[in-house]
Amino acid sequence: DSGVTQTPKHLITATGQRVTLRCSPRSGDLSVYWYQQSLDQGLQFLIQYYNGEERAKGNILERFSAQQFPDLHSELNLSSLELGDSALYFCASSSGKGSYNEQFFGPGTRLTVL
Amino acid sequence: GQNIDQPTEMTATEGAIVQINCTYQTSGFNGLFWYQQHAGEAPTFLSYNVLDGLEEKGRFSSFLSRSKGYSYLLLKELQMKDSASYLCAVRERDSNYQLIWGAGTKLIIKP
Repeated sequence: DSGVTQTPKHLITATGQRVTLRCSPRSGDLSVYWYQQSLDQGLQFLIQYYNGEERAKGNILERFSAQQFPDLHSELNLSSLELGDSALYFCASSSGKGSYNEQFFGPGTRLTVL
Repeated sequence: GQNIDQPTEMTATEGAIVQINCTYQTSGFNGLFWYQQHAGEAPTFLSYNVLDGLEEKGRFSSFLSRSKGYSYLLLKELQMKDSASYLCAVRERDSNYQLIWGAGTKLIIKP
């Protein structure tokens, strides 16, 4: 158990809909990262927040948005969903300090768009 | 530009040794990570190298050569549970210290 929690574990929805994925980082971690992993594909970095502020953006579509709240949990909003958005969405957290500053991953949310 | 290469798939025998290579081209190298990911599960941290040389951690070791842009993960005494994907990721200073991920190497262990 990494200490990072994600809800829901599974989500099935239809094209055109909007969903919200939630992530709670490890206690004390200030950084939250969102990744997308399609079937048999590598991890695609979407976005990073640090202590409530957006720190870096990756290959995040305009239909997707995220935020980090004062209690440091984060939400990823996906709208106008398309079939190709079906994937595993991982949240990771890190302390933001130290030479390692390794990322700890949550169990993921499996999104299926029908 | 950013580029990380790993073999797509490797097969090894239980009890043997396997070496998974990773080559990279990045701007402002700031460390290399190896993660293990079982199918459908979250990646878990295995090792971190920022200086040249070998880091050993039980059955797993990781090596780095910054001048060659090269790393490998060495797995000894392979067990069936080592069947997983192994992801190489480089932290890049010029990308605001983000991790640039390789596509991963799927390791299949046979009895």
